[in-house]
Amino acid sequence: EVQLVESGGHLAQPGGSLKLSCAASGFTFSGSAIHWVRQRSGKGLEWVGRIRSRPADYATAYAASVIGRFTISRDDSQNMAYLEMSSLKAEDTAVYYCTSPLSDYVFNFDLWGQGTLVTVSS
Amino acid sequence: DIQMTQSPSSLSASVGDRVTITCRASQSISSYLNWYQHKPGKAPKFLIYEASSLQSGVPSRFSGSGSGTYFTLTISSLQPEDFATYYCQQSYSVPLTFGGGTKVEIK
Repeated sequence: EVQLVESGGHLAQPGGSLKLSCAASGFTFSGSAIHWVRQRSGKGLEWVGRIRSRPADYATAYAASVIGRFTISRDDSQNMAYLEMSSLKAEDTAVYYCTSPLSDYVFNFDLWGQGTLVTVSS
Repeated sequence: DIQMTQSPSSLSASVGDRVTITCRASQSISSYLNWYQHKPGKAPKFLIYEASSLQSGVPSRFSGSGSGTYFTLTISSLQPEDFATYYCQQSYSVPLTFGGGTKVEIK
C-alpha cells in the first residue's frame, strides 16, 4: 500500500526539542521529495519545508518561520524522513503532515500521511 | 514570497448547488496552481494540478481554471461528501504557499 505514516508528536516544553518521523511504503521513496506541512488549530495549511532526493543532493528548503530551528533529513535505506524541531514556541503547536509528490520534479502533494499532533506548552 | 488569497473564506450551499471558489496569487504563477480538499481529522486530498488537470480518481464535477494570478475551483453539483475545506497552493516556487482555505458548509 502506498502510504506515509507520521509519528513522534507529543507535548513539548517551550524552548525544547522534538523529532518527528515519517515512514514511507509502496513507492520509490529514494526518488521522491518529502515535504512537511502543518496546520495550527483552526488555521489553514502551512508549508514547513522539504528535502529533495539524492540526485538533487538532498537539498532542503524551509519556511521563514522555522529557518534555523527546524531540520529535515531522510534515510533512504529505511524509507524514513524526519523533522527535527528545536527552540520550540507555542505557535509551533499544530498537526504536522508529511507529504510527497511521489517524484522530485514537481511541487504537488499527491500523498499525505494522517498527521501527528505537536503541542508546545509548559 | 508568493501570497495566495482565497475567497470566500466560507460559504453555505445545498446539495446540488454549483459552487465556485476563487484564488488569487500576488504575482504570476503561470498555471502552477493546485487544489486540495481537507476534512477534519483526515489527510488532505489532492484534487487538481496545473490549474485545470483533474487528479486520477477525482469526480468530474470538480473543475479548475485560470492562469497567471486568478484561478477558480468549481463544483458543478455539490454532493454530501463535498462538504469540507478547500485550499489552493502555488507550486511555482519555494517557499510553497497555500491560500487561507474556503470552508464549504451545508445550508
